[in-house]
Amino acid sequence: ETGVTQTPRHLVMGMTNKKSLKCEQHLGHNAMYWYKQSAKKPLELMFVYSLEERVENNSVPSRFSPECPNSSHLFLHLHTLQPEDSALYLCASSQASQGGYEQYFGPGTRLTVT
Amino acid sequence: ILNVEQSPQSLHVQEGDSTNFTCSFPSSNFYALHWYRWETAKSPEALFVMTLNGDEKKKGRISATLNTKEGYSYLYIKGSQPEDSATYLCAFYVPSSGSARQLTFGSGTQLTVLP
Repeated sequence: ETGVTQTPRHLVMGMTNKKSLKCEQHLGHNAMYWYKQSAKKPLELMFVYSLEERVENNSVPSRFSPECPNSSHLFLHLHTLQPEDSALYLCASSQASQGGYEQYFGPGTRLTVT
Repeated sequence: ILNVEQSPQSLHVQEGDSTNFTCSFPSSNFYALHWYRWETAKSPEALFVMTLNGDEKKKGRISATLNTKEGYSYLYIKGSQPEDSATYLCAFYVPSSGSARQLTFGSGTQLTVLP
């Protein structure tokens, strides 16, 4: 596997379910990100993990809970979601140290909340 | 709240045409501007990272310029091909408390190249 992978690619869940999205990067990067893309809206940063420190967007509801057990893996735990949370969730990674600017994206998980 | 604007929202061109689109961003406290290409059903792919006023970068038929004093960047595609069809995103970097770079994205320009 190369680059950034995400599983599952598609997920349908009810509002009372608990599920997790997984992201793995094989690039030796030190920072990982979760983004949300809703219909007709720009990509929106949800969470950043840099050198295992979390920086988050304060507008993200607590029903989204990230976890970063090491620099290669990132999870997004989902519980009691709302239909408006249906969106494409993208993971990305970058080299956090100086000179590492570009972000490398995974293919995304298309989430539908019913 | 940062405002990153891209225009036009969508664009149709004929194969072989050259085209360009604009990204506008805050001109104060500039750090870096990114361009990404996002093809349908694929991952966004980094094209350029631009950091200096007057920067001009090129990758094949695609090039970009940067004016940090007036807060805009242009992306140019010379001799468009159907495989250039994609959404082109620009993103403005804002430093965070950590060393990772946080990006604020525009809504993108959706380019369709007709054969």
